[in-house]
Amino acid sequence: GENVEQHPSTLSVQEGDSAVIKCTYSDSASNYFPWYKQELGKRPQLIIDIRSNVGEKKDQRIAVTLNKTAKHFSLHITETQPEDSAVYFCAALINDYKLSFGAGTTVTVRA
Amino acid sequence: GAVVSQHPSWVICKSGTSVKIECRSLDFQATTMFWYRQFPKQSLMLMATSNEGSKATYEQGVEKDKFLINHASLTLSTLTVTSAHPEDSSFYICSARGGPSEQFFGPGTRLTVL
Repeated sequence: GENVEQHPSTLSVQEGDSAVIKCTYSDSASNYFPWYKQELGKRPQLIIDIRSNVGEKKDQRIAVTLNKTAKHFSLHITETQPEDSAVYFCAALINDYKLSFGAGTTVTVRA
Repeated sequence: GAVVSQHPSWVICKSGTSVKIECRSLDFQATTMFWYRQFPKQSLMLMATSNEGSKATYEQGVEKDKFLINHASLTLSTLTVTSAHPEDSSFYICSARGGPSEQFFGPGTRLTVL
């Protein structure tokens, strides 16, 4: 089955700095890659997604890049703020309908 | 946007009892819903795919006789944890498929089995 690897598992950044989280996937047929932010005890919240026909997508301080050849995609958060502190999950759509999640990255933004 | 609800938000039960969790799509119809389990400080693990009007598809290692799934309508799927034990204590999250790719997540149900 699809294996999504995510790194790092924890990330501590100074407020205002950038944060980068990287994921790799194994199924070359995967064509949809969402990123979720999850706060403790809450549901995962979609923050950005990218499809395989696009190499990069940006939404204000958040951007995602996709390298289909290398089968990896990354989340970039610029100008981090304390409210960006949360657990972030990458995912890949497999078999055209179900999501396989990475292990998660705990991001801490230091004020 | 698409809204998915879950009920209850938390439940505490005694070992050996059964617990039913409901997942509803409030403003759209969902032929496919998903059930995930999330242990503390871990990722979401897909348990099963719930298809309206047909049997659920379970992921490898998930006991279908223990985790009963019913998707009787286009807006409701239920997960019943039968004969619950402390090791079943977890955060159970459902999602509803809202298009070719997107999933909309419910708020989750915290199950504690004593």
